[in-house]
Amino acid sequence: DTEVTQTPKHLVMGMTNKKSLKCEQHMGHRAMYWYKQKAKKPPELMFVYSYEKLSINESVPSRFSPECPNSSLLNLHLHALQPEDSALYLCASSQGFRDGAQHFGDGTRLSIL
Amino acid sequence: GENVEQHPSTLSVQEGDSAVIKCTYSDSASNYFPWYKQELGKRPQLIIDIRSNVGEKKDQRIAVTLNKTAKHFSLHITETQPEDSAVYFCAALIQGAQKLVFGQGTRLTINP
Repeated sequence: DTEVTQTPKHLVMGMTNKKSLKCEQHMGHRAMYWYKQKAKKPPELMFVYSYEKLSINESVPSRFSPECPNSSLLNLHLHALQPEDSALYLCASSQGFRDGAQHFGDGTRLSIL
Repeated sequence: GENVEQHPSTLSVQEGDSAVIKCTYSDSASNYFPWYKQELGKRPQLIIDIRSNVGEKKDQRIAVTLNKTAKHFSLHITETQPEDSAVYFCAALIQGAQKLVFGQGTRLTINP
């Protein structure tokens, strides 16, 4: 069973749309992550939240906007995306920021038309 | 910058044989090394990890070894089965940046 839940599983959107990806974990983890994964590539870190505060932004374009409403939830707001943003978006969580054991959700497969 | 090199990029073995995947890291302060298995269309799944205070860790058919001096770590799968077919990623926790850096992945195919 996946302990990190992501919705939706698939998303198709136009370049002018606004949508949000959601992630939820109930393991009591205090660090949550967003990754982007292109086909045949490793996950690429986008954002890290630790204790609900943004700790790392890997120079991600502003059309991606993360939000951490509480310790269990992580959102990624999308606006004016480009076709090259099509990818698998993975959420992960870990006990703490310095605890490397990250557990991934099943991801949202995003297609930009 | 910090990086992790992973070899080979593809590996094909006969069912029942062993498979070994190797990684080298650059940050000598790295102290945590996980391995992830990713089946087609699925999430990366943590299968085993090792911290720098141990040299080897085993869990049933999989084991990981770490050589801190050489900055190498390896995944060993014995008695391979068709369900072991997947892409495997190694990673290292970069202390200064507090983030995981992944290797490029190894596509493992187990031939029946």
